[in-house]
Amino acid sequence: QKEVEQNSGPLSVPEGAIASLNCTYSDRGSQSFFWYRQYSGKSPELIMSIYSNGDKEDGRFTAQLNKASQYVSLLIRDSQPSDSATYLCAVGWSSASKIIFGSGTRLSIRP
Amino acid sequence: SAVISQKPSRDICQRGTSLTIQCQVDSQVTMMFWYRQQPGQSLTLIATANQGSEATYESGFVIDKFPISRPNLTFSTLTVSNMSPEDSSIYLCSVTSTGLASETQYFGPGTRLLVL
Repeated sequence: QKEVEQNSGPLSVPEGAIASLNCTYSDRGSQSFFWYRQYSGKSPELIMSIYSNGDKEDGRFTAQLNKASQYVSLLIRDSQPSDSATYLCAVGWSSASKIIFGSGTRLSIRP
Repeated sequence: SAVISQKPSRDICQRGTSLTIQCQVDSQVTMMFWYRQQPGQSLTLIATANQGSEATYESGFVIDKFPISRPNLTFSTLTVSNMSPEDSSIYLCSVTSTGLASETQYFGPGTRLLVL
């Protein structure tokens, strides 16, 4: 069974610090990896997608992928209170395929 | 990214009844999916809505309970049949863009369902 694992949290980080969110997946055939942010009462919003080993940066966000270790992470630099949300890791297999979500990590940025 | 709308945005229903949720996209998309998110939980994929053919259901979900239609490339419906309180959830439509980022899924605003 294909699984995506995340620590449910809550993860509490002081404002201005780096928040580090982690995700592992079970299927070595996975090809595409996503991080979604979900505010309470809202639908998931795509933050980052990554397909190759290494780092991918977009503003304050950096996604890191290590296929050998089946591990993907999201770093949020200069954390802001508005970053407080649930972060969902998702994994897919091919272009336009379905994706499977992890259980999500609740992140809280404390002032 | 595609703009996705869902109707209704929320509803309160009596057990034993059925509700049909509509998903409309502003452009043609390759794939459409239906997810369920129960209170405090992550997203669970119900099925892939296939244009012109029967939907592909995930383990634990069946067509009799969740019939799905997709008559064209921009519209799909999910029906929750013979509802029970356990069906109380948020139902989300998602689509895969046919653009360069074809692997990317975008979500509609969701339909909040409460079954009494």
